Amino acid sequence: DQQVKQNSPSLSVQEGRISILNCDYTNSMFDYFLWYKKYPAEGPTFLISISSIKDKNEDGRFTVFLNKSAKHLSLHIVPSQPGDSAVYFCAASGRRGAGSYQLTFGKGTKLSVIP
Amino acid sequence: DAGITQSPRHKVTETGTPVTLRCHQTENHRYMYWYRQDPGHGLRLIHYSYGVKDTDKGEVSDGYSVSRSKTEDFLLTLESATSSQTSVYFCAISGVDGVNSPLHFGNGTRLTVT
Repeated sequence: DQQVKQNSPSLSVQEGRISILNCDYTNSMFDYFLWYKKYPAEGPTFLISISSIKDKNEDGRFTVFLNKSAKHLSLHIVPSQPGDSAVYFCAASGRRGAGSYQLTFGKGTKLSVIP
Repeated sequence: DAGITQSPRHKVTETGTPVTLRCHQTENHRYMYWYRQDPGHGLRLIHYSYGVKDTDKGEVSDGYSVSRSKTEDFLLTLESATSSQTSVYFCAISGVDGVNSPLHFGNGTRLTVT
């Protein structure tokens, strides 16, 4: 039972254009959503997050949109740069036992930005 | 970079042998996690800790045990390694209160079980 889904395994975008990465979730108890970026042979790096009380959060070239009714979030990268080429993971969390907020990850989308 | 060190970075071991992976943090964070990453599965939680000697199971805990005797160290043990445990293992830590704060990951340990 996959609670966080990234249905596109890969995405190619021209440099300078917009990259849109999508993520769907099924658990209505999730209240915090994150995007991570991962380069080969490195650990995932936190990129941007959004709380369920918001529908948009921006940080420089990165914007995350949340549509709670559709249980959908997206990451927009504008403009895309070759250094953005990486695997992007969507993650969601909600309170679990002992006060910990565990993250559930999607399978990832590999973004390739073509110069 | 968050102060997280995983050791070893690479390990090859034989089926049936015990293996221990170490995660060391210098951030004094309360919460620590072990994930594994496999093609087609993303990252899956193995075990987590919410304090010294306080641990609990994650989604894929079978065949793994953990220990946390000090705030800064979280050990993952494969009691008897199997080929299905060939994977990349990531340790992560989160903020002091663990509430809606992002996890910060180490650079991983690549484990191959032959």
